[in-house]
Amino acid sequence: KQEVTQIPAALSVPEGENLVLNCSFTDSAIYNLQWFRQDPGKGLTSLLLIQSSQREQTSGRLNASLDKSSGRSTLYIAASQPGDSATYLCALGGSEKLVFGKGTKLTVNP
Amino acid sequence: DGGITQSPKYLFRKEGQNVTLSCEQNLNHDAMYWYRQDPGQGLRLIYYSQIVNDFQKGDIAEGYSVSREKKESFPLTVTSAQKNPTAFYLCASSIFNSRNEQFFGPGTRLTVL
Repeated sequence: KQEVTQIPAALSVPEGENLVLNCSFTDSAIYNLQWFRQDPGKGLTSLLLIQSSQREQTSGRLNASLDKSSGRSTLYIAASQPGDSATYLCALGGSEKLVFGKGTKLTVNP
Repeated sequence: DGGITQSPKYLFRKEGQNVTLSCEQNLNHDAMYWYRQDPGQGLRLIYYSQIVNDFQKGDIAEGYSVSREKKESFPLTVTSAQKNPTAFYLCASSIFNSRNEQFFGPGTRLTVL
């Protein structure tokens, strides 16, 4: 059974800092990996999707990497801003469904 | 304006009542999903449907029921058999392609009084 762990559970950084969020998983037989953002009381917004055959994806200040052999993914956020404050969730995709981590709550202080 | 809509945004239920949460998508996506989110926990899959008139149980299906009579609609009924229904419910959809990316609605917060 796939298990997904996100460490740390919460992170507080000053504005402008570069930061890395971590996601680890137990089963490397995955279809894809998605990173989501969730604001309080809202739905999930898809940030990046890495297909199983890919190593990384970039969108603006965000870069996500995937290393299936070590069971790890990272989300790199460059030059963080207060508007980046949210909970970030990673999810491992099988052929039919996603398995989610519990998320990392990020606070970027002005 | 394509997307996924969920209604209502807030729902209050008395113990012993069944309630139905609505999920509609106009993205022409094949698959639809229902998740439950509790504080401090990740999203857990309740039911999913890959085609019309077919659906499968997820990890926590007990006390819930669904139907998929139309491609764009996937309502979730929370029955009185669900022991602890107070939670945030999220609906998602995806299209069958090499990416299989899921997109989410805004959610419904259900509170049992």
